[in-house]
Amino acid sequence: QKEVEQDPGPLSVPEGAIVSLNCTYSNSAFQYFMWYRQYSRKGPELLMYTYSSGNKEDGRFTAQVDKSSKYISLFIRDSQPSDSATYLCAMEGGYNKLIFGAGTRLAVHP
Amino acid sequence: GAVVSQHPSRVICKSGTSVKIECRSLDFQATTMFWYRQFPKQSLMLMATSNEGSKATYEQGVEKDKFLINHASLTLSTLTVTSAHPEDSSFYICSASRFAESYEQYFGPGTRLTVT
Repeated sequence: QKEVEQDPGPLSVPEGAIVSLNCTYSNSAFQYFMWYRQYSRKGPELLMYTYSSGNKEDGRFTAQVDKSSKYISLFIRDSQPSDSATYLCAMEGGYNKLIFGAGTRLAVHP
Repeated sequence: GAVVSQHPSRVICKSGTSVKIECRSLDFQATTMFWYRQFPKQSLMLMATSNEGSKATYEQGVEKDKFLINHASLTLSTLTVTSAHPEDSSFYICSASRFAESYEQYFGPGTRLTVT
């Protein structure tokens, strides 16, 4: 079993839709949870990070962490074609190492 | 702030030759740099962690004699793929962390290596 599971998609939605992206994990020791966005043939860019359980909102993006279920989510409201990318969840696995999910490919069509 | 560059962005080399990839933190000093590889439609796999002035720590299964990492300064780390083979063809990405206790990593744009 992988430490971090993420559905690779692809996920296709119409412009303006609410997008829900999710990851599950197995290690209850994880405390820091991150979401990265990666455009094709580019390096990942940090979108949001959350410490422990709870919600965090930044503009159209909301990150949720449920440690009891070992489940994290990223919601994108009013999705735009420019949001089309691969979204990677990541968790800090000790010694500042990041463990990434497989990434979910999102396509937002006009 | 927190910009990381990589050079070259794309390189093609012949089997058996060596290739060096540079990773630079442009506007901050990086206490730690990380090297990842990413195969098509797959996630990032950590290869090694390097701290300035010390030997890199390699992940299990990564050959340290094949993937030489040098972290000579707080703004520069290099990855040399020695005696490259076609199976080494991949997307190599570096990241840098500003603070020793920080989990935040800033990623470079990646280097596409093709070995023919």
